[in-house]
Amino acid sequence: DAKTTQPTSMDCAEGRAANLPCNHSTISGNEYVYWYRQIHSQGPQYIIHGLKNNETNEMASLIITEDRKSSTLILPHATLRDTAVYYCIVLGGTYKYIFGTGTRLKVLA
Amino acid sequence: EAQVTQNPRYLITVTGKKLTVTCSQNMNHEYMSWYRQDPGLGLRQIYYSMNVEVTDKGDVPEGYKVSRKEKRNFPLILESPSPNQTSLYFCASSGPILLAKNIQYFGAGTRLSVL
Repeated sequence: DAKTTQPTSMDCAEGRAANLPCNHSTISGNEYVYWYRQIHSQGPQYIIHGLKNNETNEMASLIITEDRKSSTLILPHATLRDTAVYYCIVLGGTYKYIFGTGTRLKVLA
Repeated sequence: EAQVTQNPRYLITVTGKKLTVTCSQNMNHEYMSWYRQDPGLGLRQIYYSMNVEVTDKGDVPEGYKVSRKEKRNFPLILESPSPNQTSLYFCASSGPILLAKNIQYFGAGTRLSVL
């Protein structure tokens, strides 16, 4: 499974869009991009995933570049409750999740 | 409500005293897994199970045992705990890769301290 690279930390003003980038330059054709988040020390929570098309759900949007080497998770109107560590994971047809250290997002009032 | 339940949530024990952390899921998932999380290291997989009576080692299996006698339960056993097993532990489950889109559901975590 491909490795991912994320910034260590980011800040975002409350009410603004939070854009979290992820690089996965070694992604292969059958691998999906998944995003999870972990609020404080709670269990990680699934946010969204995609293969090559942009995806949107009630929590976030996922933008994947055309070459699929990078993606951006967008939280359209960040709130204080979105303060968390966000993990970008690339995964093919296995259950082998590899969690890196993620991006620590701090939403500022 | 669909959930993964771990018990206990907090546990303080002493070196060498056998303990079991239970994990149960009510989603009829085939796949279950245990992770540990340590500061600066992210989540690391300990053991996983593809189905009943099928288990395999993850990245950091030393010092741990698991069993999968029933589909819903996947206990983590520490036969002789040591201080380096002090950590935050998570259990997770997932349905079939294609149908469940490989989404893992995590328990709330068990914070273990071994003195």
